[in-house]
Amino acid sequence: DQQVKQNSPSLSVQEGRISILNCDYTNSMFDYFLWYKKYPAEGPTFLISISSIKDKNEDGRFTVFLNKSAKHLSLHIVPSQPGDSAVYFCAATANAGKSTFGDGTTLTVKP
Amino acid sequence: KAGVTQTPRYLIKTRGQQVTLSCSPISGHRSVSWYQQTPGQGLQFLFEYFSETQRNKGNFPGRFSGRQFSNSRSEMNVSTLELGDSALYLCASSHGQLNTEAFFGQGTRLTVV
Repeated sequence: DQQVKQNSPSLSVQEGRISILNCDYTNSMFDYFLWYKKYPAEGPTFLISISSIKDKNEDGRFTVFLNKSAKHLSLHIVPSQPGDSAVYFCAATANAGKSTFGDGTTLTVKP
Repeated sequence: KAGVTQTPRYLIKTRGQQVTLSCSPISGHRSVSWYQQTPGQGLQFLFEYFSETQRNKGNFPGRFSGRQFSNSRSEMNVSTLELGDSALYLCASSHGQLNTEAFFGQGTRLTVV
């Protein structure tokens, strides 16, 4: 039973456009959500997070939206840059416990 | 401050052998989690240790085990290696009691031949 799902394995966008990465979860106990970015041969690095008491968190070009009723969150990157090309993982935690990760979405930003 | 350090970075073992991977978390972090990433797959959770106790465990066979020491350093052991154990093993450290991000090491690339 996969509790965190990223249904799109890959996404390709043009430089300057918006990238929207989606994530769905099933466990209503999750109260904190995070996005990580991973380059090849490196460990994932934290990008942005959101608490379940909020519906939006913004940090520069990155915005995460949370829809608790739909158990859905999304990461918006605008404008997208070639350096954003990486694998993006969505993660969720409950009570500051372990992080449950999705399978990742490979984003390719074309110049 | 120093990041998460995993050793070794690369390892080649033969089937049937056992292996021990090491992870030094960020100073002050009490939670260490281990993940397996295989090609084309996401991060599969192995286990989490907090203050020397296994707090969470994923769905991996008993050949996979771990421990955490009093200084929060953690080791992961895999016995009777199988070809399918070839993967990138990632360690992540976090505060463990606050909602904060996890910091990952660069991983240990294990190849079983």
